[in-house]
Amino acid sequence: AQTVTQSQPEMSVQEAETVTLSCTYDTSESDYYLFWYKQPPSRQMILVIRQEAYKQQNATENRFSVNFQKAAKSFSLKISDSQLGDAAMYFCAYLDQGAQKLVFGQGTRLTINP
Amino acid sequence: GAVVSQHPSRVICKSGTSVKIECRSLDFQATTMFWYRQFPKKSLMLMATSNEGSKATYEQGVEKDKFLINHASLTLSTLTVTSAHPEDSSFYICSARKTAAKNIQYFGAGTRLSVL
Repeated sequence: AQTVTQSQPEMSVQEAETVTLSCTYDTSESDYYLFWYKQPPSRQMILVIRQEAYKQQNATENRFSVNFQKAAKSFSLKISDSQLGDAAMYFCAYLDQGAQKLVFGQGTRLTINP
Repeated sequence: GAVVSQHPSRVICKSGTSVKIECRSLDFQATTMFWYRQFPKKSLMLMATSNEGSKATYEQGVEKDKFLINHASLTLSTLTVTSAHPEDSSFYICSARKTAAKNIQYFGAGTRLSVL
């Protein structure tokens, strides 16, 4: 079974600085999707960014970008110019395309210091 | 956009009663919806996959007679917690997948269930 590991339970960063959240996963599949979801205090899950495994180019969405290392099975999220509104739990997730199920990591709580 | 509405946002009930939670896709059709449970400061745990017009598929360890799922239309799935007990108290989240774009799930805002 696929697993997703986020080794950083908590991270903090100064406002306007850059922070990187780590994620590793385990799979024997070659084609899959990876996601970062944000869960703010409201607990609404918000899709931040997604990556298709067959694409070598790293996905970017404004201040959010990923470093996708397929061979290493690593999928880190970089947040540039951190803002107070970025404070949230961040979950890395793997999509099992066969079963079409999302497998989530344990989450990283990100604090933004003003 | 892709909006998923989940209702109610919060419910308090007495032990032994049943509670129904609704999950609606407002602006798209969703053949498949998912129900998750989230414990405090923990990740999301998939409970079941709800397919329109057919029986739900439950994850291992999830009691299907306790957590009844109905997906009667392309925009609505319901989760009924039957004979609720305090240990069922939790945060329940639904998600929906567009029929036309299967690789993204859109989430509802969640329901906080408290069983007294």
